[in-house]
Amino acid sequence: AQKITQTQPGMFVQEKEAVTLDCTYDTSDPSYGLFWYKQPSSGEMIFLIYQGSYDQQNATEGRYSLNFQKARKSANLVISASQLGDSAMYFCAMREGRSNFGNEKLTFGTGTRLTIIP
Amino acid sequence: EAGVAQSPRYKIIEKRQSVAFWCNPISGHATLYWYQQILGQGPKLLIQFQNNGVVDDSQLPKDRFSAERLKGVDSTLKIQPAKLEDSAVYLCASSSRGARETQYFGPGTRLLVL
Repeated sequence: AQKITQTQPGMFVQEKEAVTLDCTYDTSDPSYGLFWYKQPSSGEMIFLIYQGSYDQQNATEGRYSLNFQKARKSANLVISASQLGDSAMYFCAMREGRSNFGNEKLTFGTGTRLTIIP
Repeated sequence: EAGVAQSPRYKIIEKRQSVAFWCNPISGHATLYWYQQILGQGPKLLIQFQNNGVVDDSQLPKDRFSAERLKGVDSTLKIQPAKLEDSAVYLCASSSRGARETQYFGPGTRLLVL
């Protein structure tokens, strides 16, 4: 079974609109971390936001927020007021287990290509 | 604060040749990772170092890939001999000890094997 599933290969969104990128995960470990990265055409993976499995609040970082629904095992990324510079690939990733040197490996989904239309 | 540095940015070689990639992590980051990203896929971990020791190399094709981090700072990933299926972007990342263990990535090296 896939550990991280991103079901939207591509999305087109009008500038200034909000956009939700879907991510579901699969793990039996009660302790895990969820990450979202942005990858522009230049290739670098840019860290956006993190959610820990024990965090009570949904994570927010500026225009980015994470809609964390633990029972549904989903961790959707919400970008408010989209901008042309948001056009990129977006990857959801998971770290299973407590970070304690040795299990920090990230498992990535296949990504969603987001295109913002002027 | 300087980010993760990688070189070269691009490399084109013929199959059966050898190639090496270099990575310098963020200063003070003890953990260094090498990922392989094939076109259309998410990155896949090849090897993880903690200082100069290997923590996880379970997905490294050891018959052709090798990596070292001799002084616990910068690292080299080598492929010898290269195959067509090694064409990919090789990403280096680093992280420091902390609750989030966020990994910060370099710009990557795009390898094309002909």
